[in-house]
Amino acid sequence: GDSVTQMEGPVTLSEEAFLTINCTYTATGYPSLFWYVQYPGEGLQLLLKATKADDKGSNKGFEATYRKETTSFHLEKGSVQVSDSAVYFCALKRADGLTFGKGTHLIIQP
Amino acid sequence: NAGVTQTPKFRILKIGQSMTLQCTQDMNHNYMYWYRQDPGMGLKLIYYSVGAGITDKGEVPNGYNVSRSTTEDFPLRLELAAPSQTSVYFCASSRLGGGASGNTIYFGEGSWLTVV
Repeated sequence: GDSVTQMEGPVTLSEEAFLTINCTYTATGYPSLFWYVQYPGEGLQLLLKATKADDKGSNKGFEATYRKETTSFHLEKGSVQVSDSAVYFCALKRADGLTFGKGTHLIIQP
Repeated sequence: NAGVTQTPKFRILKIGQSMTLQCTQDMNHNYMYWYRQDPGMGLKLIYYSVGAGITDKGEVPNGYNVSRSTTEDFPLRLELAAPSQTSVYFCASSRLGGGASGNTIYFGEGSWLTVV
C-alpha cells in the first residue's frame, strides 16, 4: 500500500542554518504530495504542495520538489528561524484521504 | 473564514464513558475525514465521508462511529472510551476526493482527548 517515510527527529539546528527534511514515498501512480506543519499546541496547516513530477512547492521560504525518479519530496529552507520550530509532516494524497509520515520534530536554537 | 471547526478542543473522559466530537465546515465540501494522531506518529484515518448520507471506514475505525446527515457536519462518536483512544483527533474536509490534481485537504485545529 501507499506509504510515506520521513527522517526521524528531533532535528536540532542553530538559527540561520540550512534545513533539509527528507521524505520518500511509495505509491501507485503519481499522487499529489504535501508538507504540513504543526506548531506547538496548534492543528495542522498546509505548508506547501506539488501535484505532478518536477513541480516545486514553496511557501514561507520553504521549498520542496516532486522527484519522480527518486520518489522523493524533500523539504528545504535556506535559513531557518526560531519560529520555524514545529513538527513537519510529509503526506501523499490517496483516494480516501491523506497518508502521512510520522512527522519530524524541528527545534531551532537561537 | 471559519473553515473546519472542531469542538471540544480538550476533553478528559473516564473509561467506558461516551462522547461525540463535533466537526463542521462552511466550505460546502463533499469530502470529510476524521484522523487521529498518536504521540510521535503520523495521522491515521478513522472514517471518511464522500457526501451527505455516505460514510466509510478508514485504517483504524474500531471503537468509533460517524454519521453524515448534512454536508456541513461530520460528528465522531466514541461509545465506550478506552485508554487506547487517548489521542489528538483532527477533522478535515476537501472539495474533491481521490487523486484529483491540486485538491487540498483543510484541517480543523484538533481535539485533545484523554481517557483515564
